[in-house]
Amino acid sequence: DIQMTQSPSSLSASVGDRVTITCRASQGIRKSLVWIQQKPGKAPKSLIYGASSLQSGVPSKFSGSGSGTEFTLTISSLQPEDCATYYCQQYGGYPLTFGQGTKVEIK
Amino acid sequence: EVQLVESGGGLVQPGGSLRLSCAASGFTLSDHYMDWVRQAPGKGLEWVGRTRNKVRSYTTEYAASVKGRFTISRDGSENSLYLQMNSLKNEDTAVYYCVRIVNDVVEDWGQGTLVTVFS
Repeated sequence: DIQMTQSPSSLSASVGDRVTITCRASQGIRKSLVWIQQKPGKAPKSLIYGASSLQSGVPSKFSGSGSGTEFTLTISSLQPEDCATYYCQQYGGYPLTFGQGTKVEIK
Repeated sequence: EVQLVESGGGLVQPGGSLRLSCAASGFTLSDHYMDWVRQAPGKGLEWVGRTRNKVRSYTTEYAASVKGRFTISRDGSENSLYLQMNSLKNEDTAVYYCVRIVNDVVEDWGQGTLVTVFS
């Protein structure tokens, strides 16, 4: 199985800060990665696919990069509505696997 | 507008069975791969399984943790997806989400249905 490791597990940042989350795959997955946002008590929402393509309707403050085994999700200017847990998921091979999540809070 | 509405969750004893349903609207179910993803209380997301589309003969894939116990199926006439869960264990307790796949990518999520396995 392909293991997905996210870092950090949690972070606290100020409004307006640039925030970066990293996801590492245990083997190469090309660009077969999605980033998912889950707000407390809500269903998940897909933000980015193909490592760097924004889903329709997702604000441009979110961006993704990377390929192979290392990927990043960046929020360019953190806002209170961005408080959530963020997950990466690989779809390069079965079983599909998720990272353990990164909880983002406002300082 | 794409909508996915799960139902069928509830309380069940270990060893019991439950069938979850996902009513799909706003798109043609047979054209899409569909996943089930679950989330144990306070935990992260876990992929459960996938059914491919009609072109791929609705073939399925499962996580090792549920293989042989869970079965994904569809009813095209009702545009519904199902998850038959047998031999349930305490560790199957979770919110179960129905997910629409577009070009291999998770795109739309339902609101989830809670399954609680208790002894």
